[in-house]
Amino acid sequence: GQNIDQPTEMTATEGAIVQINCTYQTSGFNGLFWYQQHAGEAPTFLSYNVLDGLEEKGRFSSFLSRSKGYSYLLLKELQMKDSASYLCAVISGGYNKLIFGAGTRLAVHP
Amino acid sequence: GAVVSQHPSRVICKSGTSVKIECRSLDFQATTMFWYRQFPKQSLMLMATSNEGSKATYEQGVEKDKFLINHASLTLSTLTVTSAHPEDSSFYICSSWEGSYNEQFFGPGTRLTVL
Repeated sequence: GQNIDQPTEMTATEGAIVQINCTYQTSGFNGLFWYQQHAGEAPTFLSYNVLDGLEEKGRFSSFLSRSKGYSYLLLKELQMKDSASYLCAVISGGYNKLIFGAGTRLAVHP
Repeated sequence: GAVVSQHPSRVICKSGTSVKIECRSLDFQATTMFWYRQFPKQSLMLMATSNEGSKATYEQGVEKDKFLINHASLTLSTLTVTSAHPEDSSFYICSSWEGSYNEQFFGPGTRLTVL
């Protein structure tokens, strides 16, 4: 079966650092994505991990441990505009299907 | 990056009518497209995988006779919600891989409201 778990909600303060965790159990694994989604809009790409380790891109970093079925998204120097849902998604199975977790709603406060 | 468009962006219809949503890859060929549905405050749920020139592959629990998918060309997939009911009201999003980017590109979504 397919199971991707993330916290439902998180809050953080502007300027701070927040880490959003994701654990997965899938029948196959060809990579893991993090997306940002604002209400009523399509998801936008943040990061892609297929090998173990940390990928850094500006204020956003993503980590993957395939042996542990674990990833996290790290957001630094939080801004108010970072308030959004963050979706963890795993590529699995034929046709490279993207299976999404339930998403984490992040609220950034002044 | 690659661009995927959807039309219409928003549709309101009466219960019992059918609604067609188009998904187009604008600058690349897409042999495979994906259709997702998203209810408020929930994540994207994969409905089906649309394959150019062959039948779509539906996820468990998705009625293929209710959600008709046609992928007639390498740049167009359509999703038709037949005999729509209020519980079909949702945000429908399509997407496709563009191989050189290692990224799945999403359309802007279609907000369906069934009265």
